[in-house]
Amino acid sequence: EPEVTQTPSHQVTQMGQEVILRCVPISNHLYFYWYRQILGQKVEFLVSFYNNEISEKSEIFDDQFSVERPDGSNFTLKIRSTKLEDSAMYFCASSGQGADTQYFGPGTRLTVL
Amino acid sequence: GENVEQHPSTLSVQEGDSAVIKCTYSDSASNYFPWYKQELGKGPQLIIDIRSNVGEKKDQRIAVTLNKTAKHFSLHITETQPEDSAVYFCAATGAGSYQLTFGKGTKLSVIP
Repeated sequence: EPEVTQTPSHQVTQMGQEVILRCVPISNHLYFYWYRQILGQKVEFLVSFYNNEISEKSEIFDDQFSVERPDGSNFTLKIRSTKLEDSAMYFCASSGQGADTQYFGPGTRLTVL
Repeated sequence: GENVEQHPSTLSVQEGDSAVIKCTYSDSASNYFPWYKQELGKGPQLIIDIRSNVGEKKDQRIAVTLNKTAKHFSLHITETQPEDSAVYFCAATGAGSYQLTFGKGTKLSVIP
């Protein structure tokens, strides 16, 4: 069964450093999403991406964040200058159409020291 | 924007008993309500979903009910098994949006 994959599974970085989290969505899906989950809290929406541009973004997704689909398979989330409060699990999701079921990847645990 | 409240935050049941988790939403135009199961260290896995044109949906031991008037929806798990132990999240999409707004989650423990 097709699934969303994410790399790395765990990323440790120093405050102020740039990180890039990578995702490979399900191959025939058209909509891509990033969510995050701070430890013990609920999953929060960051951004959605369709047709090579951002469709929606939350207040969390400020200028420090960017997304890109550099080729036909990968979908990346970049945090330019990490802060301690960026420490969280970051989940990528994809759906065939915007209103379709969103399938989540296993997540990347980001730890900012 | 959409706000989703979920109760209870923790739930313990004996194996074989039923479990019910309830959620309310704020945006009356919301039209899609999925439920996700999250096991420790893993991403959310969809277990069942319902759209606003349907009042109830069932898949084996799992069912979801939707009351649009009251703006609440519930997850029902019957004949619970130890492997049902996990955190369950409800979610909703607001009007004209595809972003999921999640509830805070319910930690379900099934006691053998």
